[in-house]
Amino acid sequence: GIQVEQSPPDLILQEGANSTLRCNFSDSVNNLQWFHQNPWGQLINLFYIPSGTKQNGRLSATTVATERYSLLYISSSQTTDSGVYFCAVEPGSSNTGKLIFGQGTTLQVKP
Amino acid sequence: DAGVTQSPTHLIKTRGQHVTLRCSPISGHKSVSWYQQVLGQGPQFIFQYYEKEERGRGNFPDRFSARQFPNYSSELNVNALLLGDSALYLCASSLRGSGNNEQFFGPGTRLTVL
Repeated sequence: GIQVEQSPPDLILQEGANSTLRCNFSDSVNNLQWFHQNPWGQLINLFYIPSGTKQNGRLSATTVATERYSLLYISSSQTTDSGVYFCAVEPGSSNTGKLIFGQGTTLQVKP
Repeated sequence: DAGVTQSPTHLIKTRGQHVTLRCSPISGHKSVSWYQQVLGQGPQFIFQYYEKEERGRGNFPDRFSARQFPNYSSELNVNALLLGDSALYLCASSLRGSGNNEQFFGPGTRLTVL
């Protein structure tokens, strides 16, 4: 089945710094989403981005489907950005809507 | 508009017991999926239901079952609980069954099996 790999696994930043999180996937996808999981476990939707580029405030994302990767950019990081960031894909061969998640990137932003 | 809701928020059970978790999707959404997330890992797909029919099943034993009701809410049932079933159980809601189809997650039910 499709493999989803996220890097780096852990990231520590000073407040105000910028960062780039990467998601590589091994096959074609119908759907790609980025989530932020807060300390209480809630998965917050950041981007639905099977292809192209989107921006939302300090966050932006780019998916290059032909090269099978997606990037999440966080600019001017704040302590509230801390948490785990997941990339999840729906395989192109799937008709179930099943999302395959990466292992996540744990971000800690220090004041 | 209300998001995805799940109940209960926390649950403690003992080995061998049975548990039922509940999920209500976003209004107008017809698909519900269930995921299990153990500590330190990403969520793992358990089931998807669309228009009240099972559309997909992950690699979980038959102790896990689910159903979707006419109002599109869903229940996840787990029989003969094992210690390894301790996890955060997440429900996701989407408009369609697959394809161009953003999924939205509820707050989860944290199950502890003693």
